[in-house]
Amino acid sequence: DVVMTQSPVSLPVTLGQPASISCKSSQSLVYIDGKTYLSWFQQSPGQPPRRLIYQVSKRDSGVPDRFSGSGSGTDFTLKINRVEAEDVAIYYCMQGTHPFTFGGGTRVEIK
Amino acid sequence: QAQMMQSGAEVKKPGASVKVSCKASGYTFTAYYLHWVRQAPGQGLEWMGWINPNTGASNYTQRFQGRVTFTRDTSITTAYMELSRLTFDDTAIFYCASGPGHMNFWGRGTLVAVSS
Repeated sequence: DVVMTQSPVSLPVTLGQPASISCKSSQSLVYIDGKTYLSWFQQSPGQPPRRLIYQVSKRDSGVPDRFSGSGSGTDFTLKINRVEAEDVAIYYCMQGTHPFTFGGGTRVEIK
Repeated sequence: QAQMMQSGAEVKKPGASVKVSCKASGYTFTAYYLHWVRQAPGQGLEWMGWINPNTGASNYTQRFQGRVTFTRDTSITTAYMELSRLTFDDTAIFYCASGPGHMNFWGRGTLVAVSS
């Protein structure tokens, strides 16, 4: 199975400051069709997950543009441009190439 | 607007089976794979597998193979997840998720508690 490793596990951030979460896969996530199936999900307390980003960098409808995804191959990053209070949540990366695995999660909290 | 309506919470004894339903609406049920994801209390997300609602074909992660079965009824746009031989470690919230690009739409989850 492909292992997805996220870091850090916990990320204290000051409101208005940027945040960055890393996700590394144990194998390349480039599929035979040339696409890279790496998504990011946000899970707020007591809520189901919500997809923010798919195929590395495509933002889902309604997702604020302060969220962005980047990366390639085995290394990926989710960035929050300026953290707001509503961004307190656990963030998961997920690969959909081999076929599906979630990372362990990163808890974003306000300092 | 797409919605995934899941069945209510269940309490089961060890060794029993549970069947969770997920009714989809607001999109073409047969257009996208439907996934099941497990989340134990205070833990992360664990992908269990998917079913192709169009063909009925399914794919299970090795951890659950032999113990889980996905089915669907296209006439009522509902998918089902049945997990057998429950243990205390199966206490979790089970989510269904579907949509373009995989897991765009999520249900609110079904809590399954295994207790003697």
